[in-house]
Amino acid sequence: EVQLVESGGNLVQPGGSLRLSCAASGFTFSNFWMSWVRQAPGKGLEWVANIKQDGSEKYYVDSVKGRFTISRDNAKNSLYLQMNSLRAEDTAVYYCARVACSSSIGCYSDYWGQGTLVTV
Amino acid sequence: QSVLTQPPSASGTPGQRVTISCSGSSSNIGSNTLNWYQQLPGTAPKLLMYSHNQRPSGVPDRFSGSKSGTSASLAISGLQSEDEADYYCAAWDASLNAVVFGGGTKVTVL
Repeated sequence: EVQLVESGGNLVQPGGSLRLSCAASGFTFSNFWMSWVRQAPGKGLEWVANIKQDGSEKYYVDSVKGRFTISRDNAKNSLYLQMNSLRAEDTAVYYCARVACSSSIGCYSDYWGQGTLVTV
Repeated sequence: QSVLTQPPSASGTPGQRVTISCSGSSSNIGSNTLNWYQQLPGTAPKLLMYSHNQRPSGVPDRFSGSKSGTSASLAISGLQSEDEADYYCAAWDASLNAVVFGGGTKVTVL
């Protein structure tokens, strides 16, 4: 069974830092792109970042570029999001998601964690 | 302002057909596959439809998707009370090098 469990969410002051983790199990972690998606209270979904299987490619939404860093440790089946210079508008539930891709049908997030709350 | 445009709400009575639109551009829906996610109240999002019209295992065939040009739509036939949720469309945007989501559509079963 595929499981994604986020942790690390907390209350932090503006300008502060936080590191989110996502523990993956039930699949071969190193075979998949991974993603962070966030949802501010009462708002819609916002994609934050993607990382390739080997970490060689990373993509970010403009609003977090230069402040957030996505990374992964395939040996530990873990995904991370280092968040620096946090702002009030970063307050959200952060979801970790597995990204399934194929050349014929594109990419999609097929499994999601339950999320972890970050309050700035 | 979301890159993909969805109506904020839709509603219907049990058994009715409800359709949700998602409008984009040539850099996202026009050139990449479109996915739909369902978020039940208080829960994490769940993949509902991928590559415009493909249902993951376990998704009822009451849900169907289509795409035409730079727009897509999700249809729910035979609406049921458990379909009351927020629905989001999403696609890769080749100009932004980013995943873009629609603002979400809240479906209410009257």
